Amino acid sequence: SAVISQKPSRDICQRGTSLTIQCQVDSQVTMMFWYRQQPGQSLTLIATANQGSEATYESGFVIDKFPISRPNLTFSTLTVSNMSPEDSSIYLCIVGGRGLDTEAFFGQGTRLTVV
Amino acid sequence: AQRVTQPEKLLSVFKGAPVELKCNYSYSGSPELFWYVQYSRQRLQLLLRHISRESIKGFTADLNKGETSFHLKKPFAQEEDSAMYYCALKASYNTDKLIFGTGTRLQVFP
Repeated sequence: SAVISQKPSRDICQRGTSLTIQCQVDSQVTMMFWYRQQPGQSLTLIATANQGSEATYESGFVIDKFPISRPNLTFSTLTVSNMSPEDSSIYLCIVGGRGLDTEAFFGQGTRLTVV
Repeated sequence: AQRVTQPEKLLSVFKGAPVELKCNYSYSGSPELFWYVQYSRQRLQLLLRHISRESIKGFTADLNKGETSFHLKKPFAQEEDSAMYYCALKASYNTDKLIFGTGTRLQVFP
């Protein structure tokens, strides 16, 4: 299993500013993902955080808006840049191993409100 | 396109009643399906996975490839089952990413 510490748990930010969310895992994990859950919506994958290389972004998400770092196998950050009210959402770090049947582990989420 | 559909946003039952949370998926290959649960003020956690064919907390789910469904069932609901339930699909060996449904909130009344 893996225990994930995600910070901050919530924040209220002014539009035009940026927020960096941290995800710290208590053990080395192969896969780290960043998801977003907008109100009433499903969890949507933003990107896969790759250790030592650029993140792999899903359609509709770009590096300039959501820069991601993953300096090692236990830590990653997601930055929400130049925020607007439409970025108000829950952001979630999810980790797991390779293979179809491996379990995923979840951070507690970051509830972001942009005013 | 890969997709997971949970048609019910809210399902309300009384304690002791049977429960079925519906999940349908869209994927041309052989997916791996999961049910994840989020209890009040807790983070998401695994409830059960298709490949294990196990029963957890009285819940079972059978993969029906003909109907592309993975419904979650429990014969007798308990109040402590009240939670948010997400069906998820893992579709590829290469990416390991999960595709989630929109979730169903289960309310079990005493």
